Amino acid sequence: LAKTTQPISMDSYEGQEVNITCSHNNIATNDYITWYQQFPSQGPRFIIQGYKTKVTNEVASLFIPADRKSSTLSLPRVSLSDTAVYYCLVGNTDKLIFGTGTRLQVFP
Amino acid sequence: KAGVTQTPRYLIKTRGQQVTLSCSPISGHRSVSWYQQTPGQGLQFLFEYFSETQRNKGNFPGRFSGRQFSNSRSEMNVSTLELGDSALYLCASSLGPGVGGNTIYFGEGSWLTVV
Repeated sequence: LAKTTQPISMDSYEGQEVNITCSHNNIATNDYITWYQQFPSQGPRFIIQGYKTKVTNEVASLFIPADRKSSTLSLPRVSLSDTAVYYCLVGNTDKLIFGTGTRLQVFP
Repeated sequence: KAGVTQTPRYLIKTRGQQVTLSCSPISGHRSVSWYQQTPGQGLQFLFEYFSETQRNKGNFPGRFSGRQFSNSRSEMNVSTLELGDSALYLCASSLGPGVGGNTIYFGEGSWLTVV
């Protein structure tokens, strides 16, 4: 089962691009990578999911290198409302494990 | 489309009591999973149900149990509550089991405080 590691915290300013990396050295061939955003007193909210290469949606991009041992969530032009904790989740139909979370603080 | 609904949102219990939390999944979702979130341990998987059957269980004592009904609604129960059970309990639902190309959607959680 993959062990996932994330930076504890990151700071950014409004309008900047933020990249949060998750390390999952023991990822299995059938594991997917999913990222969630969580605000205080709320449940995690789905951001993006991928298996390999690059995935993009209206709010974020997910970069996964060929060896899949890490993944990077990219948030373009962050705003104050992006201040939250971001979790990566690595898993498959049988097992899953969350990262420890990265607390992103966006300053004006 | 309504999201995952959890009740109650907040509750306070005394050590030794038991508690039951409820979860209504997104319409059409057949998989329900439960998680415990604490500042010290982060998000930890409790168990998952699919079509009324428990598929997976995390590393929690037998005091933690759950079930799923034919309409996919789920309940989890914690017996003989301990102070360390104070946490945010999250329910999530998905169309199919696990996260293999399957998106899990979370509810807002039930805050349990044990005194």
